[in-house]
Amino acid sequence: GENVEQHPSTLSVQEGDSAVIKCTYSDSASNYFPWYKQELGKGPQLIIDIRSNVGEKKDQRIAVTLNKTAKHFSLHITETQPEDSAVYFCAAAQTGANNLFFGTGTRLTVIP
Amino acid sequence: DTAVSQTPKYLVTQMGNDKSIKCEQNLGHDTMYWYKQDSKKFLKIMFSYNNKELIINETVPNRFSPKSPDKAHLNLHINSLELGDSAVYFCASSQNAQFGTGELFFGEGSRLTVL
Repeated sequence: GENVEQHPSTLSVQEGDSAVIKCTYSDSASNYFPWYKQELGKGPQLIIDIRSNVGEKKDQRIAVTLNKTAKHFSLHITETQPEDSAVYFCAAAQTGANNLFFGTGTRLTVIP
Repeated sequence: DTAVSQTPKYLVTQMGNDKSIKCEQNLGHDTMYWYKQDSKKFLKIMFSYNNKELIINETVPNRFSPKSPDKAHLNLHINSLELGDSAVYFCASSQNAQFGTGELFFGEGSRLTVL
């Protein structure tokens, strides 16, 4: 089965700085890579996703990059704000499959 | 209106007891899930139901029994609770069972503490 590894497990940045979270996956058949954000006391929520036919996707301050050859993908948050503080999960799946494999999570703290 | 709602939000109980967590989604989705999140925040799928039919049943003790009376509801019943069952349990739903075609919508979680 798929194995998704995520680094770092914790990340602290100053407000306004950038944050990068990296994930690797093992199954070359995976082609759908979402990122979820979990705020304190809430369930995870999808913030961005990328499919294997593109190398990069951007949505305002959030961007995700994918390197299929190396089997890794990254989340980039620019101009971080205190409300970005949360646990972030990467995940991987094959389109059409009925299981989504989550990474181990990164706790991001943005220091005002 | 909350899209995926689960009750109770907190549950504290003694070892050996039986408890249930209920989940309802009002999104009209066909597929519902139970995930377990342990103290290290690992998110692991337990069960998945598509239109009331079980499609994923990960390696979970048979003390855990999901029940889907209709496609808008997926309840989780746990027998003979053990200390290791303490975790946050998340219900989620998606439009269909095929990932890559839509996102997962999670409830706010039910924190189970077994004493």
